[in-house]
Amino acid sequence: AQSVTQLDSQVPVFEEAPVELRCNYSSSVSVYLFWYVQYPNQGLQLLLKYLSGSTLVKGINGFEAEFNKSQTSFHLRKPSVHISDTAEYFCAVTQGGNQGGKLIFGQGTELSVKP
Amino acid sequence: GAVVSQHPSWVICKSGTSVKIECRSLDFQATTMFWYRQFPKQSLMLMATSNEGSKATYEQGVEKDKFLINHASLTLSTLTVTSAHPEDSSFYICSARDPGTGQGPQHFGDGTRLSIL
Repeated sequence: AQSVTQLDSQVPVFEEAPVELRCNYSSSVSVYLFWYVQYPNQGLQLLLKYLSGSTLVKGINGFEAEFNKSQTSFHLRKPSVHISDTAEYFCAVTQGGNQGGKLIFGQGTELSVKP
Repeated sequence: GAVVSQHPSWVICKSGTSVKIECRSLDFQATTMFWYRQFPKQSLMLMATSNEGSKATYEQGVEKDKFLINHASLTLSTLTVTSAHPEDSSFYICSARDPGTGQGPQHFGDGTRLSIL
């Protein structure tokens, strides 16, 4: 069975500092990987996705992630965060290699950007 | 881009009431929609997969008679929480897949905050 582990439940960081949110997955088959952001009392917004090809994926709001098959990781990074990046971030993987199939979510990482 | 609309965004009702939540795909037809439940400070848990024109597929541990799902059209799925009790209070989120984007990723609604008194 597939699973996703987000290693940090909370990440506090100062404004304009770089940030990395860690995500590891386990799967016996090829996967598609996603990062979503959730602002308070809202649904999820897709930040970026890895399907195939280049392992470095660029998304919205200046975020990027790198797929590392050997380490089964898909860490999310941003070189300089803003106050508005404060939110909950979820890493997710699909079952069966289908982009639109059932999503398995990590536990979430709360990013708190302080002035 | 693809938009999924969820209604209502917030509902408070008395224990024993049944509550219906709607999920609409606004600019694409969704043969499959998903319903999630999210407790405070926790991740999303898939409750069921809603399939247009057929029965929903429920995840293990989810009561089918408690959470009724109807996907009567390609743009609308509904979740009805029957005889709701305080333990059903939660944030419910739906998502839909846009098949027109070549098996594209899921798009999420803004969620429904359900509070049972």
